[in-house]
Amino acid sequence: QQQVKQSPQSLIVQKGGIPIINCAYENTAFDYFPWYQQFPGKGPALLIAIRPDVSEKKEGRFTISFNKSAKQFSLHIMDSQPGDSATYFCAAAAGGSYIPTFGRGTSLIVHP
Amino acid sequence: DVKVTQSSRYLVKRTGEKVFLECVQDMDHENMFWYRQDPGLGLRLIYFSYDVKMKEKGDIPEGYSVSREKKERFSLILESASTNQTSMYLCASRRQGVRDYGYTFGSGTRLTVV
Repeated sequence: QQQVKQSPQSLIVQKGGIPIINCAYENTAFDYFPWYQQFPGKGPALLIAIRPDVSEKKEGRFTISFNKSAKQFSLHIMDSQPGDSATYFCAAAAGGSYIPTFGRGTSLIVHP
Repeated sequence: DVKVTQSSRYLVKRTGEKVFLECVQDMDHENMFWYRQDPGLGLRLIYFSYDVKMKEKGDIPEGYSVSREKKERFSLILESASTNQTSMYLCASRRQGVRDYGYTFGSGTRLTVV
């Protein structure tokens, strides 16, 4: 059973578009939600993270929106650039170990 | 620049061989992790270690073991490699008790078992 469901599996946008990646979870004990970005040939790198006490967090062109009641969170990339082309993973972690459970990933391509 | 280094980028092994994947971190992190990454399946946790000499099973430990004799080094062992263990293997480390910092991943080892 997937604890963190991520969609879509792949996404293609034009430069300047706003790709949105969605994640949903079931475990209400999750209280830390990081996003990782992975370029080809590299390991994932932490991009941005949110806790459920806020509904939105921005870092540069990247924004996480969080809906606690719906148990959903999403990543928006404003003014997307070809350099944003990568695989994005959402994750969720609970207190104690805080070992994240990852979504299955979204492959994003931004065309020039 | 802090790093997690995986000893091999690409590895080809034969079915039944014993395979060692090595990971070294230079950040003095207590926690270390091994994941495998497969298309459409995301990142799945194999084993992790909270500190030296400690190890815990992750979600898919079958067919694998680990060793952590020194704080900076975490080894993944495939006792008898099988073709279904062909995958990208990622090592990660994290400072104990600092959840906001997230993982630092290595660049991965792509293992092919023939």
